[in-house]
Amino acid sequence: SQQGEEDPQALSIQEGENATMNCSYKTSINNLQWYRQNSGRGLVHLILIRSNEREKHSGRLRVTLDTSKKSSSLLITASRAADTASYFCATDRMDTGRRALTFGSGTRLQVQP
Amino acid sequence: EAGVTQFPSHSVIEKGQTVTLRCDPISGHDNLYWYRRVMGKEIKFLLHFVKESKQDESGMPNNRFLAERTGGTYSTLKVQPAELEDSGVYFCASSSGWTQETQYFGPGTRLLVL
Repeated sequence: SQQGEEDPQALSIQEGENATMNCSYKTSINNLQWYRQNSGRGLVHLILIRSNEREKHSGRLRVTLDTSKKSSSLLITASRAADTASYFCATDRMDTGRRALTFGSGTRLQVQP
Repeated sequence: EAGVTQFPSHSVIEKGQTVTLRCDPISGHDNLYWYRRVMGKEIKFLLHFVKESKQDESGMPNNRFLAERTGGTYSTLKVQPAELEDSGVYFCASSSGWTQETQYFGPGTRLLVL
């Protein structure tokens, strides 16, 4: 498996429901970021959580980080059709000191109106 | 404030030709990154500039790829000669300083090598 793996790979829900996506990684990190990509568009930064933080909120988004399990989750509450997109987690590695982000393969979220 | 911009948005070239992609980072951002996503794979890091210097080019696949950032503003990524496996989406990102980790991405350039 690779650094920054999301699950599920695909998720289909109804508008108004909550969507939860998970991300696992392998190495020690400085921070973990979540991005959204609408079909054919660029990556939009959603939220960054540092390695010493456990939970962070931004609007309808809630991100948790468990460094002992090397995992993170992204919760979107009261989903909307406009939330339909692919969601990626990305980490930068503490051990290398580099700023390169390592991305997972993403979760494709489909919100049915 | 304008975001990261990339040009062109799409490029279709034949194998063996040369293509040059351009990225304009957010004004004032010293850090500039190139990433790419080839078909069916994850987004992969290519290299990182700090101003005009290459900080990390560990992700560059081979010597057919040349990145420059003269003057520390915009950057170009040249692929010469292009091969079929170079097809994919090339993303550029920028961030403001060493302590500012958030990387802001451009819309990407979709490259198709025939």
